[in-house]
Amino acid sequence: GESVGLHLPTLSVQEGDNSIINCAYSNSASDYFIWYKQESGKGPQFIIDIRSNMDKRQGQRVTVLLNKTVKHLSLQIAATQPGDSAVYFCAENIYGNKLVFGAGTILRVKS
Amino acid sequence: EPEVTQTPSHQVTQMGQEVILRCVPISNHLYFYWYRQILGQKVEFLVSFYNNEISEKSEIFDDQFSVERPDGSNFTLKIRSTKLEDSAMYFCASNPALGEFLNEQFFGPGTRLTVL
Repeated sequence: GESVGLHLPTLSVQEGDNSIINCAYSNSASDYFIWYKQESGKGPQFIIDIRSNMDKRQGQRVTVLLNKTVKHLSLQIAATQPGDSAVYFCAENIYGNKLVFGAGTILRVKS
Repeated sequence: EPEVTQTPSHQVTQMGQEVILRCVPISNHLYFYWYRQILGQKVEFLVSFYNNEISEKSEIFDDQFSVERPDGSNFTLKIRSTKLEDSAMYFCASNPALGEFLNEQFFGPGTRLTVL
């Protein structure tokens, strides 16, 4: 029979507003975190990363915040645009080798 | 800009058949990976490959799976006897493992495998 996928949380924002996407990770030993964007039918695309010795890192229109105390990661997108619509995944890099992905959040930008 | 390429983009096969998914990682990258994503679910790690051998594999990567770097350019994933539950998007990724991109993995566009 057909398998049922996970119901992904969805964030709907108005074009021009800021978006905040959250992620909880599980492994205290993770030393590197990445946010990926995945558009329909495409592979994950790197957005921004942060090492565990930092708590904030900024890129172009994006900021990642890391709270190691509560094992929480967030991605902030400033002035969200229709082209930002996609599924966003956080990922942990454990021991410098494999990536462990989170469940993902759908971002929908309304014009 | 160099990118990871994968072929075919879509593969349809009968249950029990063997399939080979092909990837060309970015030149000069040292680590190679396969991940899969079942429709609507998160991306899952299958295997990592370095220095011509498997460096790590997940529980999903059982005896039905194998990887190979046959010619210094291609990186392949073989599934010997496909099952219905192998239907998924399969992503190849590569990592330069040095310099400013020490840990960044670059993903290909994926191959959609459909097992009937």
